[in-house]
Amino acid sequence: EAGVAQSPRYKIIEKRQSVAFWCNPISGHATLYWYQQILGQGPKLLIQFQNNGVVDDSQLPKDRFSAERLKGVDSTLKIQPAKLEDSAVYLCASSLRGNYEQYFGPGTRLTVT
Amino acid sequence: QKEVEQDPGPLSVPEGAIVSLNCTYSNSAFQYFMWYRQYSRKGPELLMYTYSSGNKEDGRFTAQVDKSSKYISLFIRDSQPSDSATYLCATSGNAGGTSYGKLTFGQGTILTVHP
Repeated sequence: EAGVAQSPRYKIIEKRQSVAFWCNPISGHATLYWYQQILGQGPKLLIQFQNNGVVDDSQLPKDRFSAERLKGVDSTLKIQPAKLEDSAVYLCASSLRGNYEQYFGPGTRLTVT
Repeated sequence: QKEVEQDPGPLSVPEGAIVSLNCTYSNSAFQYFMWYRQYSRKGPELLMYTYSSGNKEDGRFTAQVDKSSKYISLFIRDSQPSDSATYLCATSGNAGGTSYGKLTFGQGTILTVHP
């Protein structure tokens, strides 16, 4: 069974630029999550999708972050414009039952200079 | 106050030692308690989960939850160099609740097991 795929693995941008991350979940997993993990901290949930609908985006900074999952499969997370404090690893996870059993991708390491 | 607090360590132990990792949480609505392991440059992977209070054992790993004191523990027996990783505790609420499936993580404890 293929795992959660993410790209790119690394990205370096300057502040005020825009960036997009892509995630392809495990086949058949209806629930998809985006997490932000700042160095030395645990992952923080940004947004949760159930199929192509948003379940929870309460911690998503909506003035600069956006995410979509148009066909209920893969998803993109965008930051526009980026700030220095957005430097982090962005993790995508998927779940079959929408519960604690989540499978994480390798993450995209973003550095904003 | 963070909802889940975890001592970040780092923790360095010799091979074969018993390791104790701990977290505390504040929200009494949490019913599921997980331990995820994260190797360097990788995403977290689910190691164990416990529902409500009690113990759960899986090989060299034992998870304990004490809901009365809001305390979560993971014990690793006969630790191996391959156990070197960051260990993240996480919590989630019950099905039907607003926090079901929404993981709240501690900040992680970095563990190094040296030969």
